[in-house]
Amino acid sequence: KQEVTQIPAALSVPEGENLVLNCSFTDSAIYNLQWFRQDPGKGLTSLLLIQSSQREQTSGRLNASLDKSSGRSTLYIAASQPGDSATYLCAVDHNTDKLIFGTGTRLQVFP
Amino acid sequence: EAQVTQNPRYLITVTGKKLTVTCSQNMNHEYMSWYRQDPGLGLRQIYYSMNVEVTDKGDVPEGYKVSRKEKRNFPLILESPSPNQTSLYFCASSSYQGGDEQYFGPGTRLTVT
Repeated sequence: KQEVTQIPAALSVPEGENLVLNCSFTDSAIYNLQWFRQDPGKGLTSLLLIQSSQREQTSGRLNASLDKSSGRSTLYIAASQPGDSATYLCAVDHNTDKLIFGTGTRLQVFP
Repeated sequence: EAQVTQNPRYLITVTGKKLTVTCSQNMNHEYMSWYRQDPGLGLRQIYYSMNVEVTDKGDVPEGYKVSRKEKRNFPLILESPSPNQTSLYFCASSSYQGGDEQYFGPGTRLTVT
């Protein structure tokens, strides 16, 4: 059974720091991995999608990598800003009928 | 603008009173699904649909029904809501079963008293 774990569960950093969020999954047979952002009580905003054949994707200050063989993905946020404060979720598309989500990393960036 | 819409966004109801949460997408996506999000449990899939008239159970389907009569709409029906269905609900869609980005609606916060 596919399980997705995110570490750390919570993170508090000063503005300007570069940071890494981790996501691990137990079954490497995935179609893709998607990173989302969720603001409190709000919907999910897709940040990056990495196909199983890709190693990384970049969007602005965000860079996501994927190592299927080791069952890991990282989300790198450069020069963090208070506006980056949110919960970050990773999800794997494992057997084509659903996304399996991690429990999220709650990020706080303080000025 | 490509989007998934849900209505209502907020709903407070009483036990046993049937309700429907609507979901609509304007991207001509084949695949649609419903998730619920609960503290400590994360997001869990309720039902999904691979195309019109094709639906299947997810991980937590008990107490819910769905229908897919049109490609763009995928309503979630609670025939007899109970307090344990108090949750944040999300509808999602994508162009096919696997490999494509999933788009999520803004969520519906349901409280059943």
